Amino acid sequence: EADIYQTPRYLVIGTGKKITLECSQTMGHDKMYWYQQDPGMELHLIHYSYGVNSTEKGDLSSESTVSRIRTEHFPLTLESARPSHTSQYLCASSDPGTGGPRELFFGEGSRLTVL
Amino acid sequence: AQSVTQPDIHITVSEGASLELRCNYSYGATPYLFWYVQSPGQGLQLLLKYFSGDTLVQGIKGFEAEFKRSQSSFNLRKPSVHWSDAAEYFCAVGAYNQGGKLIFGQGTELSVKP
Repeated sequence: EADIYQTPRYLVIGTGKKITLECSQTMGHDKMYWYQQDPGMELHLIHYSYGVNSTEKGDLSSESTVSRIRTEHFPLTLESARPSHTSQYLCASSDPGTGGPRELFFGEGSRLTVL
Repeated sequence: AQSVTQPDIHITVSEGASLELRCNYSYGATPYLFWYVQSPGQGLQLLLKYFSGDTLVQGIKGFEAEFKRSQSSFNLRKPSVHWSDAAEYFCAVGAYNQGGKLIFGQGTELSVKP
């Protein structure tokens, strides 16, 4: 059973508001990721982190920002939400093994709707 | 660049019938391949993975997948589908030099008829 948690699960918010999507994991994983998923579409990596104070942008450009002050916590922030940000955001983590990719453990997702 | 193609957007099978979901990847070296399942409103759960060795990989819930290098494929199979298998299935590929980052396919939605 994966121990990675996302809050809120669902959020409906007006344009221009600031939002933060929380992601926490209790597995001690160094690597954490944010994926964006639109209905019927593949997941796109928007941010990743390989450890505390390490953050990188993913393959899909995003106006969101992330921070990694603690190993277990990887929040995503949108300073001014717009309808184009409406999507599902999935947080994931993987163990620190060297070499190739490891299994990703996913949270249940945060579904954001911007009106 | 790596890419993953799942040619079937939606598949419907009868309960008890066999299932095969297709996945083709593009990558120059030996890929790291994964199949994930996503139930409605949930995150993704790993079904199985292939890194090296035996090309037939067993996973959870009775699923298996076969890596075929010559066809650049990693198809997912199950001999007898259960109604609870209805979900979205994602194939993903990673590379040795890309850390933990995975590239996902578009997904195949599986419906199960009674």
